[in-house]
Amino acid sequence: DIQLTQSPSSLSASVGDRVTITCRAGQSIDTYLNWYQQKPGKAPKLLIYAASSLQSGVPSRFSGSGSGTDFTLTISSLQPEDFATYYCQQSYSFRTFGQGTKVEIK
Amino acid sequence: EVQLVESGGGLVQPGGSLRLSCAVSGITFSSYSMNWVRQAPGKGLEWVSFISSSSSTIYYADSVKGRFTISRDNAKSSLYLQMNSLTVDDAAVYYCACLQRATSLDCWGQGTLVTVSS
Repeated sequence: DIQLTQSPSSLSASVGDRVTITCRAGQSIDTYLNWYQQKPGKAPKLLIYAASSLQSGVPSRFSGSGSGTDFTLTISSLQPEDFATYYCQQSYSFRTFGQGTKVEIK
Repeated sequence: EVQLVESGGGLVQPGGSLRLSCAVSGITFSSYSMNWVRQAPGKGLEWVSFISSSSSTIYYADSVKGRFTISRDNAKSSLYLQMNSLTVDDAAVYYCACLQRATSLDCWGQGTLVTVSS
């Protein structure tokens, strides 16, 4: 199975900050990597698919990059509604999620 | 609008069984692979099982292999998860989800809660 390791596991940031979350795969997964946002009590929401494609309706402050084993999700200017938990997910082989990154208010 | 509606969750004793269902509308269900994902209370997302559009390919997470069975009925646009020999570690919200490869299709159910307790 392909392991995905996210870092950090949690972070505290202020509104307006630039935030970067990384996801490392245990082997190359090409660009078969999605990013999701999840808020408490809700199903996850797709933000980025195929490593760098912005999902329709998602604000442009969200961006994704990477290929192979190393990927990043960047929020260019954190907004109050962005405080949530973020997960990477691979679809190269079976499916796997990273352990999540909780973004909290500083 | 794509809608996924899970049902079948509830309270079950350790060693018991449950069958989850997911009714799908708004997409051509028979064209898409589907997945079950679970989330234990306060924990992260865990992929559970995958089934291809024709049911020809099925995968399971090691944690449920041999105990859970995924299936689908394309005529009814429905996905199922038969869960046997349940343990307390299986307690979670179970979601049906699309989790497609390299596409913008994003579909999740609202989740159904499975509680395993004596």
